[in-house]
Amino acid sequence: DTAVSQTPKYLVTQMGNDKSIKCEQNLGHDTMYWYKQDSKKFLKIMFSYNNKELIINETVPNRFSPKSPDKAHLNLHINSLELGDSAVYFCASSQGRWGYTFGSGTRLTVV
Amino acid sequence: ELKVEQNPLFLSMQEGKNYTIYCNYSTTSDRLYWYRQDPGKSLESLFVLLSNGAVKQEGRLMASLDTKARLSTLHITAAVHDLSATYFCAVDIRDDKIIFGKGTRLHILP
Repeated sequence: DTAVSQTPKYLVTQMGNDKSIKCEQNLGHDTMYWYKQDSKKFLKIMFSYNNKELIINETVPNRFSPKSPDKAHLNLHINSLELGDSAVYFCASSQGRWGYTFGSGTRLTVV
Repeated sequence: ELKVEQNPLFLSMQEGKNYTIYCNYSTTSDRLYWYRQDPGKSLESLFVLLSNGAVKQEGRLMASLDTKARLSTLHITAAVHDLSATYFCAVDIRDDKIIFGKGTRLHILP
């Protein structure tokens, strides 16, 4: 069983489109995150949710909107996609002090 | 703002050699993590360091934490090709927020 699963794995879309990435974890963790990894491999936190409540909202364009229907799911919706949104987006979850478990990533390419 | 700096960012080394990756951070924290990322893959947790003086070892990798110096090291002993990857340190600055370093791309030559 995959602990943190993201779909889709690859996403190629045109500028201006709206797209969603889904994330689910079966670890029973209370906190989930979205991170963006750019072409230089730099990882930047975007959002985190604790038990469906938004607790971290970094400086991210408001075209990005996370949604957590329950504590096992955290989805990311992106409106009006731009070229600069091309990156790998990682979902992660955590419980306590033991760090994160990452999903396999979604490679988003905006053309 | 917290800064997490890794040194070096790129490292090419011969098999059998020893080397150390350094991770400095700019604010108080007693939680530090090391992750490994293979090309095109996700991040894999290597070590969780939760107190000053913590030392963890797994195979040819050993990580340590000095919270007073705000420094962690990842030491590689007798490197083998399979250890080629990008290694990230990450610092927990408050509950549930972890800031990553830029990563050290390690290439081990056979």
